[in-house]
This record gives sequence, structure tokens and C-alpha cells, in this order.
Amino acid sequence: DVKVTQSSRYLVKRTGEKVFLECVQDMDHENMFWYRQDPGLGLRLIYFSYDVKMKEKGDIPEGYSVSREKKERFSLILESASTNQTSMYLCASSPPGWHGYGYTFGSGTRLTVV
Amino acid sequence: AQKITQTQPGMFVQEKEAVTLDCTYDTSDQSYGLFWYKQPSSGEMIFLIYQGSYDEQNATEGRYSLNFQKARKSANLVISASQLGDSAMYFCAMRLLIQGAQKLVFGQGTRLTINP
Repeated sequence: DVKVTQSSRYLVKRTGEKVFLECVQDMDHENMFWYRQDPGLGLRLIYFSYDVKMKEKGDIPEGYSVSREKKERFSLILESASTNQTSMYLCASSPPGWHGYGYTFGSGTRLTVV
Repeated sequence: AQKITQTQPGMFVQEKEAVTLDCTYDTSDQSYGLFWYKQPSSGEMIFLIYQGSYDEQNATEGRYSLNFQKARKSANLVISASQLGDSAMYFCAMRLLIQGAQKLVFGQGTRLTINP
């Protein structure tokens, strides 16, 4: 069964800490994405990557960075966590091309910054 | 602006009734795709159904069907014979090609509650 795994289900961090959210997929997908989900706002795209060592900004990249050193792993980095980054973070992957398979999502990481 | 709008924050439906979740979209692109996802309380996003902008027939997957009205820019999800397990958040999404890159844009979501 295809899978996207996010390393932590729940995370509590302090303001100012550097936070790493890890995502691993076992489907050999080229495309990987990071979204944050907030009530009433739906999912908003933070960053995405179409290849190893490649990254593109999404709609809300401020305060975040990403790393993709290997095809299967896409990390989201909060350089200096702030309380307004408290949210649910969802990682997703998809094969290349225009298709109807949708994205495969991980189970999410609920991050609380105190 | 490329946008997806879900105007129903919450819906309550009796078990076994059919339910329609509304979704409208805004794009000037000719080629796009529309998706519906289900998110149960466990948090994972489950892909339900897809409709391509050039597909002439409405998509169906089991109890799910997508009522695609291109001229009105709407892509409503219809769930027939609802079940208690259908209680979840539902998201409509649109896939666009922007400057050579594919992006999936989501609506705000609708929380569906099925009452026994």
C-alpha cells in the first residue's frame, strides 16, 4: 500500500526554536508538497518540490524553508517558531504529469508553539 | 484569481439520505482538474473523486458522484445513501498549471455530520 509518513503526529515547541517536520514517501513520486491547515481557511500551500534539491515557494512561504536531499524525503523547517505557526501540517506526494490520481497525503502533524 | 469556494461550513443530514456538498471555482484556464477529498477525525486526507475540465461525463465512484456544471463553474459532490462513517470534513480542490508547475488549490472545507 502506498504511503506518505510524517514523523510526528503531535509536536509541542517553544517560541524561537528551530523545528523540523519530516515527510517520507515510498512511492518513488517526483512531486512533494507541504500544506498547513487552519479552520475556515482550508489547506494552504507552503512549499513544493518537483525533484531532488529543487524547491518552489507556494502561497504562504514566509517563516518556512524546505529541504529535499533525497527523492523520498521532504523536510519542512521553521527557522524560528512563532505562535502563529501553530497549525496542522500536511505533507503530500504525487507522480509527475497531468492525471486524475490526486495527491497522497500523510496523516498530518499537529504543531503547537507555546 | 484562481480560487475554490465552499459556502457550507457545516451540514447535518439524516442517515440514508442523499447529500450535496457545494463547490464553485474560479479560473480562466481551459485545462484544470477538480478533486474531492474526505478528512475524517484521524486527520488523513482521502481522495474520493476526480473530474477533468474536458471530461463530458460526470465522474462517479461508488456512492460518490461529481455534478460538474462547467458553465456555472461548479463541481458539487453528491453522496448517495449517506452512512454514519461519512461524517468528516470534505474539501474541494482544483489543480492548476501555473508557470509550468502544478498546484492544488483547496476550498475552506465543509464539515458533514450524519445523524442516526
